[in-house]
Amino acid sequence: NAGVMQNPRHLVRRRGQEARLRCSPVKGHSHVYWYRQLPEEGLKFMVYLQKENIIDESGMPKERFSAEFPKEGPSILRIQQVVRGDSAAYFCASSPNRNTGELFFGEGSRLTVL
Amino acid sequence: AQTVTQSQPEMSVQEAETVTLSCTYDTSESDYYLFWYKQPPSRQMILVIRQEAYKQQNATENRFSVNFQKAAKSFSLKISDSQLGDAAMYFCAYRSASASQGGSEKLVFGKGTKLTVNP
Repeated sequence: NAGVMQNPRHLVRRRGQEARLRCSPVKGHSHVYWYRQLPEEGLKFMVYLQKENIIDESGMPKERFSAEFPKEGPSILRIQQVVRGDSAAYFCASSPNRNTGELFFGEGSRLTVL
Repeated sequence: AQTVTQSQPEMSVQEAETVTLSCTYDTSESDYYLFWYKQPPSRQMILVIRQEAYKQQNATENRFSVNFQKAAKSFSLKISDSQLGDAAMYFCAYRSASASQGGSEKLVFGKGTKLTVNP
């Protein structure tokens, strides 16, 4: 059984470019979460999505950041016009339903903005 | 809002010895989950152990056990017979169990404790 798959594992962008991070949840999981981890810090919640719906985006910056989880295909976290402060590790996690306590994490995507 | 506090930024232990990592949390909810996640240098987040708040019995997974004190809102992790492979960042996390009734879905993490295991 494949776990949560994230790609790319490493992404380098120059300031002003766009970054797209992809996440394929565990097969059968319809709930996806994105977290950001800055160096030497814990994971901070960004957004929670179910298929085709954003449920909670309270942790996501209002500008430049967007997320989607289409009916078909992976979840996408999109960062437009990246700045150096966006450099971080972005983790995706999935769960099968709302009542399950545990989240299953991917290996993360490390974004570096030059 | 719920908060999770890990007061030990770094800890070290000798191989084969026992170490305890501290975690406290703040919540007004009565039903929730608590977790310890391990993050080795590979950065993969690995679930170590979980505890349901309604269960009085402390969770145990092989060499890992917790001391869950609900009234004190404390959730410490004990690692027995420490091994070199236990070296990692350890994160304590909280999640509401009332998600289906409108509670927050998200995991709330502490800032982590870096564990070093000395040979």
